[in-house]
Formats: sequence, C-alpha cells, structure tokens
Amino acid sequence: EAQVTQNPRYLITVTGKKLTVTCSQNMNHEYMSWYRQDPGLGLRQIYYSMNVEVTDKGDVPEGYKVSRKEKRNFPLILESPSPNQTSLYFCASSRRDTAYEQYFGPGTRLTVT
Amino acid sequence: AQKVTQAQTEISVVEKEDVTLDCVYETRDTTYYLFWYKQPPSGELVFLIRRNSFDEQNEISGRYSWNFQKSTSSFNFTITASQVVDSAVYFCALSGTVQGAQKLVFGQGTRLTINP
Repeated sequence: EAQVTQNPRYLITVTGKKLTVTCSQNMNHEYMSWYRQDPGLGLRQIYYSMNVEVTDKGDVPEGYKVSRKEKRNFPLILESPSPNQTSLYFCASSRRDTAYEQYFGPGTRLTVT
Repeated sequence: AQKVTQAQTEISVVEKEDVTLDCVYETRDTTYYLFWYKQPPSGELVFLIRRNSFDEQNEISGRYSWNFQKSTSSFNFTITASQVVDSAVYFCALSGTVQGAQKLVFGQGTRLTINP
C-alpha cells in the first residue's frame, strides 16, 4: 500500500529537549516536505527536499532542521523545542515537485511545555 | 507572491443542503495548479482534486463539483445534498513558482459542519 508514515503520532515534551519526528514514504517520490498546521493559518511549509541530499527552507524554517540521506526518509529535527513549536505536523511526498498531488502522512501532534 | 484566501472560516448547514466553499488565489505564474484537500475530524489530509491553470472545465465527481474561473481567480467547491460525513475542514491550495522554486501555498481552511 502506497503511504507516508510518521512517528510518533503524538508527543509531549519539555522545552529544550531535542526530538526527531521521522517520516518515510514507499512510493519512490523525489519530493518531500514538512508542514505545520496551526488554527487560522492553514498549513505552512517548514522545509522541503527535491531529492537526496537536496533540502531547502520553506516559509517557517526557524527552529527546525532536516536531512535527506535516503530517498524514502525525511526526518524533522527540533534541536531545542520551544512552546511556540506546539503544533500539528505533516510530512508529505510527491513526484518531482508541488505541481503533483501531495501524499500526506497521518500527522504528528506535538506539545512542548 | 502566491496567496490563497478562503474567506469563510466556518460554515454550518443542515443535511441535504447544498454548500459552496470559496477559494480565491493570487499568482503571477501562467502555469500553476490548484488543489482541494479534506481534513476530517480524524486529522488526516485527503486529496480531492488537482486542476492545472490551462483547464477551466468544471469538474463533477458524485456530489462534489468544482468551478474554476481564471477571470476571477477563483476555484470554488460545491457539495450537493450535503451529508454529515462531509463535516470536515477543507483546504484550497495553490502550487506555483516562488523565487524559482515550486511551492505549495494553502488557504486558512474552511470548517464545514453538516448538522443532521
């Protein structure tokens, strides 16, 4: 089954404790990205990757890091989480770029206290 | 700049009513793509439709229909004979080029509640 998986689905953590949210896709997609969803703001792009070892900032990259060492994986790293990073996070993948349908993961609800 | 506006923050209707969700976009690209996604209460994002800027034909899929009008930069979504299962947040999105890179920009979303 074609899918994007994210782990964990729910996470409560404390300010400053480094965390990683994993994202994996099994569709051999080149393009992967991370979004955060906040009430009244829709989804905003954090980082994206056009292919292995190619990543770039989205609209709200501050406080986040990513890596793309393998085509299927695109982890999101919060080195020192802060309460304003409490949000719902989605990983997405697609062929080539955003002109194609984005396949979204199930979401990760993160709470930073 | 790319921008998507969904002016209706929340809509509430009674089951079997028709309802239209508005989407207005801004772009300077001549080639771009428009999308609608559904987010049910369970939280996942479900793809509904993709439309490219050269195809202004309206599309119908069961009770769902989409009206794309380049003249007014709108891509509205209508649900006919709404059902309780249609209750969700609906996002309109635009894919285009920003500073040489493909970007997907979402509207703020419209929360649709269908009451029995």
